[in-house]
Amino acid sequence: DGGITQSPKYLFRKEGQNVTLSCEQNLNHDAMYWYRQDPGQGLRLIYYSQIVNDFQKGDIAEGYSVSREKKESFPLTVTSAQKNPTAFYLCASSAYLRETQYFGPGTRLLVL
Amino acid sequence: AQSVTQPDIHITVSEGASLELRCNYSYGATPYLFWYVQSPGQGLQLLLKYFSGDTLVQGIKGFEAEFKRSQSSFNLRKPSVHWSDAAEYFCAVGPRSGSSGAGSYQLTFGKGTKLSVIP
Repeated sequence: DGGITQSPKYLFRKEGQNVTLSCEQNLNHDAMYWYRQDPGQGLRLIYYSQIVNDFQKGDIAEGYSVSREKKESFPLTVTSAQKNPTAFYLCASSAYLRETQYFGPGTRLLVL
Repeated sequence: AQSVTQPDIHITVSEGASLELRCNYSYGATPYLFWYVQSPGQGLQLLLKYFSGDTLVQGIKGFEAEFKRSQSSFNLRKPSVHWSDAAEYFCAVGPRSGSSGAGSYQLTFGKGTKLSVIP
């Protein structure tokens, strides 16, 4: 089955720790995205990547970093600089930038 | 700046009743328009999209939406709601393919409408 997988489903972060969220797709999509979702806030774009080895900041990139070394993978690192990381993180992909986005199941990040 | 407004935070309907979820947008040109649905703790599932052509768009699960350019609206409808439709619904707008401008990319989401269904 083609789709987007995110792992882990739940992730716990200690104070001062960096954590990495995984996002993999087997849809052969060029573009990938990371969103943050907070209750009652809709989705906000963190980073997006149009193609391998290229990525752009979204509205709320501070405290986050990404890489795009392979077409299938777009991991998100939540750094210790992100002071309020508790949220639901959603990864998405589309065939090309501005085409329909398809979403993964999400990762919930909690702070210990 | 583009924006999406979903005026209803929470709607409750009885099973079998009709449903309309409102979405209004502010955008410089005719955008691409989407409706997504999210069950608790899950990702978003695409219900339908409008790119061009017929302004009445059919989607999955019996949903439809109508694009009204004059009202900058893209309301979602379903003639008879099922208990399994209880979820949160998000409207989104984005630039068309071929739109120019390095900073013009953005898929903007509304804050969502939570639908509760009374059996």
